[in-house]
Amino acid sequence: DGGITQSPKYLFRKEGQNVTLSCEQNLNHDAMYWYRQDPGQGLRLIYYSQIVNDFQKGDIAEGYSVSREKKESFPLTVTSAQKNPTAFYLCASRTVGSGYGYTFGSGTRLTVV
Amino acid sequence: KQEVTQIPAALSVPEGENLVLNCSFTDSAIYNLQWFRQDPGKGLTSLLLIQSSQREQTSGRLNASLDKSSGRSTLYIAASQPGDSATYLCAVTSGSRLTFGEGTQLTVNP
Repeated sequence: DGGITQSPKYLFRKEGQNVTLSCEQNLNHDAMYWYRQDPGQGLRLIYYSQIVNDFQKGDIAEGYSVSREKKESFPLTVTSAQKNPTAFYLCASRTVGSGYGYTFGSGTRLTVV
Repeated sequence: KQEVTQIPAALSVPEGENLVLNCSFTDSAIYNLQWFRQDPGKGLTSLLLIQSSQREQTSGRLNASLDKSSGRSTLYIAASQPGDSATYLCAVTSGSRLTFGEGTQLTVNP
């Protein structure tokens, strides 16, 4: 079955540590996205990529980095510069074009310890 | 900047009731509108996708309408069941962005 796989499901980060969240899709979608979800604030766009080797900042990119070396993969690194990283992170993908909807993964919950 | 609002923020109903969730958006220049369901601690499941040229979409007990000119959408759930309890999110696609509302938390009581 096609879909989006996010791993790990739970991740714990120590202060000052970088961590990488994995997102892989086998839907042959062109575009991939990272969102952050906090209680009471809805989903906010971190980064997105519409083509391999290219990506754009979203609304809250500070303290995060991404890469898009393969069409199937869009990993997100939460760096030590992100001061409040505890949140639920969701990856999404879609075919580029006005008629296509988004498919989401099951999420990674990141907690700072 | 696109803004999406969902009303009510929370809703509690007895099983079997028909209900309506509301979504409004500020910029009518959208490509499409998508309704999602989110269970606690889980990802988003797409329920319905309405293209900007369409007025409604139906899937089983769910019906979503879109009035682009007035910036409104409704999600109608018929004969609600306890398994429908979840958070329902409305999102609109404008350009390369998907903008979400904050959701309606639905509880269906047996």
